[in-house]
This record gives sequence, structure tokens and C-alpha cells, in this order.
Amino acid sequence: DAGVIQSPRHEVTEMGQEVTLRCKPISGHDYLFWYRQTMMRGLELLIYFNNNVPIDDSGMPEDRFSAKMPNASFSTLKIQPSEPRDSAVYFCASSPRQGRLYEQYFGPGTRLTVT
Amino acid sequence: GEDVEQSLFLSVREGDSSVINCTYTDSSSTYLYWYKQEPGAGLQLLTYIFSNMDMKQDQRLTVLLNKKDKHLSLRIADTQTGDSAIYFCVRGAPGGGADGLTFGKGTHLIIQP
Repeated sequence: DAGVIQSPRHEVTEMGQEVTLRCKPISGHDYLFWYRQTMMRGLELLIYFNNNVPIDDSGMPEDRFSAKMPNASFSTLKIQPSEPRDSAVYFCASSPRQGRLYEQYFGPGTRLTVT
Repeated sequence: GEDVEQSLFLSVREGDSSVINCTYTDSSSTYLYWYKQEPGAGLQLLTYIFSNMDMKQDQRLTVLLNKKDKHLSLRIADTQTGDSAIYFCVRGAPGGGADGLTFGKGTHLIIQP
């Protein structure tokens, strides 16, 4: 298995532009998570999906952020408009269904820089 | 305070033992985990301990759990340069499951030659 795939690996954009981050979870995993990591705030859970349905989006910073999961093999995190304070590494992770010894499998992350 | 707390940095000499400490507030967790993040990569599960255990050993890694004090530690014996990473203490939800993890902010382990 290729693991969780994220694209792009690096993104540099100007303030006000729309940014779309992409994630392909591990096949067969029922849960998908989006995290943001910064030095100041550490790792923050933004939103997670179960069977393509958003379950908890309380970590999404504000309305500029939106996430979708149109099918079991693809999810996007969109920021519109982007701001310099959105600069961070964004991770996608997936996990098998509930009831098992728990492990999240992380992608390599997308490093976003907003200038 | 934070639900899961750990020091931000730990510096050790190569060959020495590293001990990374963590405290948590919710005593109803089923599992407690240590995740490792190497430079430029995502997090990976390193080891875990079930809440009814006191200790777990896996090669150079020893996990100690003190439920009374809500204290978890990770000991790495014979620390090597490849151990340089961020180590996250993670609390699992009482019922287990993929959606109940609470991550600490991570401890940066720095290895001195």
C-alpha cells in the first residue's frame, strides 16, 4: 500500500488566493482526519470524516476553511481567501473503523506558505 | 491547563538514555500512545500501552504508566542520532476508536554527539 498520499507537498501562495490541499487515504480506512501543525500551536485537529461524512469540524478555524470528502478515496481542504497566518504544515491521516487498537496513518504533509 | 502536557525539548548525548515525560488529565483513557515524527515527515505510531498495564518494553523502548499520577513516560535506551524527532504523547478515548485521540504538543528530542 502506498500509504496516505497528499498533494501538493509544498505550496506557496499570495494572501487572498484560494488554496486547495488534497488527500488520498489508505484504501479501506473509514476515518479521515485533517490536522494543522505550527510551532506555536502544535498539532491541531481541524475536521474528521467517517465514511465520507463530516463528523466534527469544531477545529476548523473559521469560514475561510472548508473540507469535503466526495468519495472514500479523496478529500480536499480548501482555504479561501488565504492569509499569512494560515502558513503551516497540513496533515491528512486515515484510520480503520472504530473498535480496533487505534492507529492513525499520517501522510507526509503539505507545507503551506502564504505571503 | 492542557489535556495532555509534555516538555517541548529534551537534549541528550548519543548513547545515553532519553526519558520523555507526559501528564494527562482524563483518567478514563483506554490506550495511551507515543507517536514519532521525523523531520519533514508525518507522524507514525511508535508504541502504545493499554491502561491496565504498568509497563511495556519493546527493544530499546520502555513505556511506563502511572495511572494514579496520570503520568506516562517513554524511555529510549542507547539513544542514537536516528532517534532525533518529535515525540507526541497521545491519549485515547475511553471507548477506543479512531476519533478520540488527543495529542500533546510534542517533545523535540535533540541528540548531541
